[in-house]
Amino acid sequence: DTAVSQTPKYLVTQMGNDKSIKCEQNLGHDTMYWYKQDSKKFLKIMFSYNNKELIINETVPNRFSPKSPDKAHLNLHINSLELGDSAVYFCASSQDWGGLRTDTQYFGPGTRLTVL
Amino acid sequence: AQTVTQSQPEMSVQEAETVTLSCTYDTSENNYYLFWYKQPPSRQMILVIRQEAYKQQNATENRFSVNFQKAAKSFSLKISDSQLGDTAMYFCAFMRSGSQGNLIFGKGTKLSVKP
Repeated sequence: DTAVSQTPKYLVTQMGNDKSIKCEQNLGHDTMYWYKQDSKKFLKIMFSYNNKELIINETVPNRFSPKSPDKAHLNLHINSLELGDSAVYFCASSQDWGGLRTDTQYFGPGTRLTVL
Repeated sequence: AQTVTQSQPEMSVQEAETVTLSCTYDTSENNYYLFWYKQPPSRQMILVIRQEAYKQQNATENRFSVNFQKAAKSFSLKISDSQLGDTAMYFCAFMRSGSQGNLIFGKGTKLSVKP
């Protein structure tokens, strides 16, 4: 009965490779997010999508591209991986109330990406 | 730009005792939301408690309560009757109303509960 799930939980890959992380939520929420947690545990938003439309796009390299096939899924594709991309990536979702998006965000278990 | 500051990188508490984690934030907004999230060693981010800025009453959830001081821009978390399972990183977070879900986190406080 996992509310927000991510796959894989661990991802180890070589520099220069392209990889994807998948996220699914079964909460019926309208908005989904990607966050990056660095080695010092600092969490920062990367993207948010509402009903498959990109809403927030922070200053993230364009090697990172979110893709939302439907409102229950938000996948993160990363091209040409670099050492500095090593981090934990969290997916989250929230209910959209009239565009205010002030509702609580529920997080997935995270994906630890290690770039060698 | 809004910022969230957690001034205690690490804290420890004896089991069954009470501990308070500090959080201050900087904003010129009047309508916003504040959250505490817990991240145990399992890495999962778990919502602990949420406070709407327009509510004067402090939020409580079982053993967890907040002291929300809007004028001072302070939002501390009190954990009563600490349990070993409370050992985790605790993150304070701020969201401006209408910000389209842009949740801004503090750097976290690592709490250790000792038996």
